Amino acid sequence: GQQLNQSPQSMFIQEGEDVSMNCTSSSIFNTWLWYKQEPGEGPVLLIALYKAGELTSNGRLTAQFGITRKDSFLNISASIPSDVGIYFCAGQESNTGKLIFGQGTTLQVKP
Amino acid sequence: DAGVTQSPTHLIKTRGQQVTLRCSPKSGHDTVSWYQQALGQGPQFIFQYYEEEERQRGNFPDRFSGHQFPNYSSELNVNALLLGDSALYLCASSSLGADYGYTFGSGTRLTVV
Repeated sequence: GQQLNQSPQSMFIQEGEDVSMNCTSSSIFNTWLWYKQEPGEGPVLLIALYKAGELTSNGRLTAQFGITRKDSFLNISASIPSDVGIYFCAGQESNTGKLIFGQGTTLQVKP
Repeated sequence: DAGVTQSPTHLIKTRGQQVTLRCSPKSGHDTVSWYQQALGQGPQFIFQYYEEEERQRGNFPDRFSGHQFPNYSSELNVNALLLGDSALYLCASSSLGADYGYTFGSGTRLTVV
């Protein structure tokens, strides 16, 4: 099935470090979403982006909607142990509303 | 306010059997989508139900079917199970026309042996 290209695949960082991950697509999306999934749970929405070039923050998280509408990135500043999890980007198709997900970035934080 | 509720949480089935998974959407939501998440992968769209009808369908065979009830709850049925059907099945609810706002359940972990 169709998936977005998300990188890196995994990250192991020290507590307090900043993290950056990105997502690219061959298709244009009008909405980009970033989710976090923890073991045994479904994805939880972190940030939603609706406009090309838009930069949105949610606490220590910042995400941007690429100008070409084919990419997005997520930054986490001053990471803490509870940031551990799998982060997914998703593009939402305008005509169907369905979500196309990336493969995920697994984040581990060392205290 | 309850979120999306899925049952059962875990299930083990044998190849060739049939399975039914259930989903109750978040209060106020009228649209239910189902996703399959294989280990180490992102969720893949199966189909979406609104007003008791299938509105959209992903690239899944006809062995995968669904239903939505008048109270907006939904079922996912998979017939003739294959080993490759082993995955986490996620239900997501939303309000039709909302900009975003899919709320996901915790999923049903299906293992086919």
